[in-house]
Amino acid sequence: GAGVSQSPRYKVAKRGQDVALRCDPISGHVSLFWYQQALGQGPEFLTYFQNEAQLDKSGLPSDRFFAERPEGSVSTLKIQRTQQEDSAVYLCASSLVGGNTEAFFGQGTRLTVV
Amino acid sequence: ELKVEQNPLFLSMQEGKNYTIYCNYSTTSDRLYWYRQDPGKSLESLFVLLSNGAVKQEGRLMASLDTKARLSTLHITAAVHDLSATYFCAVDGTGNTGNQFYFGTGTSLTVIP
Repeated sequence: GAGVSQSPRYKVAKRGQDVALRCDPISGHVSLFWYQQALGQGPEFLTYFQNEAQLDKSGLPSDRFFAERPEGSVSTLKIQRTQQEDSAVYLCASSLVGGNTEAFFGQGTRLTVV
Repeated sequence: ELKVEQNPLFLSMQEGKNYTIYCNYSTTSDRLYWYRQDPGKSLESLFVLLSNGAVKQEGRLMASLDTKARLSTLHITAAVHDLSATYFCAVDGTGNTGNQFYFGTGTSLTVIP
């Protein structure tokens, strides 16, 4: 596609529910990133993939968060047993390689946990 | 952990005026990016600065990077209303893969007609 595509755009979850957020990166982009952006804040790094390999997951806030990219293209961020503090916009970005190149961001998924 | 600070956090300026947004970061990095975000939208890449002394210009915006001072600036010339948005700088992590961006808290710019 022309850009990074994320779905759903909006998700309301009851506390304790599991959610899955999808990211379709730009075709051919090797690197894929997930970020969490709280209201009024800058994005914060969650995890990074190079192809199908998850090279860095240091930003995942708890073991309730899990990300995968099994075929090196589409990625899914899963949050188990959602809590209110998980409410945020989840942004996906992709780039050709890890460094020295700009990352292109999707429009994000706004997650609200009630 | 690498820290990125932007100032000001909020900026209200009149059309036609000039202003500079500052981005300071806490550790060595040669790669810095500027993004624009409109309300409810994603981040749009503005500039990629990859070396000390890099200067890039696009329209009324000019970005520069001083890696020795760990400082980048985004200069706005003769502001127009369309520039109203939140601007983020992001520093590439110092890992070998450069795989993590550290974002500043953003500068919310409002240009008043």
